[in-house]
Amino acid sequence: DSGVTQTPKHLITATGQRVTLRCSPRSGDLSVYWYQQSLDQGLQFLIQYYNGEERAKGNILERFSAQQFPDLHSELNLSSLELGDSALYFCASSSGTVDSPLHFGNGTRLTVT
Amino acid sequence: GENVEQHPSTLSVQEGDSAVIKCTYSDSASNYFPWYKQELGKRPQLIIDIRSNVGEKKDQRIAVTLNKTAKHFSLHITETQPEDSAVYFCAASMPGGSYIPTFGRGTSLIVHP
Repeated sequence: DSGVTQTPKHLITATGQRVTLRCSPRSGDLSVYWYQQSLDQGLQFLIQYYNGEERAKGNILERFSAQQFPDLHSELNLSSLELGDSALYFCASSSGTVDSPLHFGNGTRLTVT
Repeated sequence: GENVEQHPSTLSVQEGDSAVIKCTYSDSASNYFPWYKQELGKRPQLIIDIRSNVGEKKDQRIAVTLNKTAKHFSLHITETQPEDSAVYFCAASMPGGSYIPTFGRGTSLIVHP
């Protein structure tokens, strides 16, 4: 168990809809990262938060947004969903220093029909 | 930004053989290099990491080597077992900024019994 909790585990929704993915980081970790992993693809970095503030953005679509709350949990909002958004979405947390590894949650599998 | 190349994309070995996965990075400022293992349908998990002030690190059947001059690092797995079958990702992080690791595209290791 990595200590990172992601909910829900599975999500099935229709095109055009909006969903929210939730992540609770490991106790003591200040940094949260969101990654998208499509079938047979690598880990695409979406966005990072550190202690409530956005720290870095990757290949995140404008239809996607995220935030980190004062209790350090984070939410990733995906709107106007398209079939191509179907993927496994991972949240990871770390202490936020350069040599601290990422601890990944079990992911949310999103299926857009 | 940093760029990490990982080879091979697929590696097939017989049980008991050794497996080597190689990664190169582009930015000489990178100084932390973790390796993650992702079993099918599961989350990536850190298996070993190395910092730039170390040339080699071992943990039982797994070892990682780093050549800072050539900017490449490798994962070595000896006496492979079927349970080693997974996708392996290398990553590189550099100090300053947001410490986001840049991941390689992954190597699918298949160990045949």
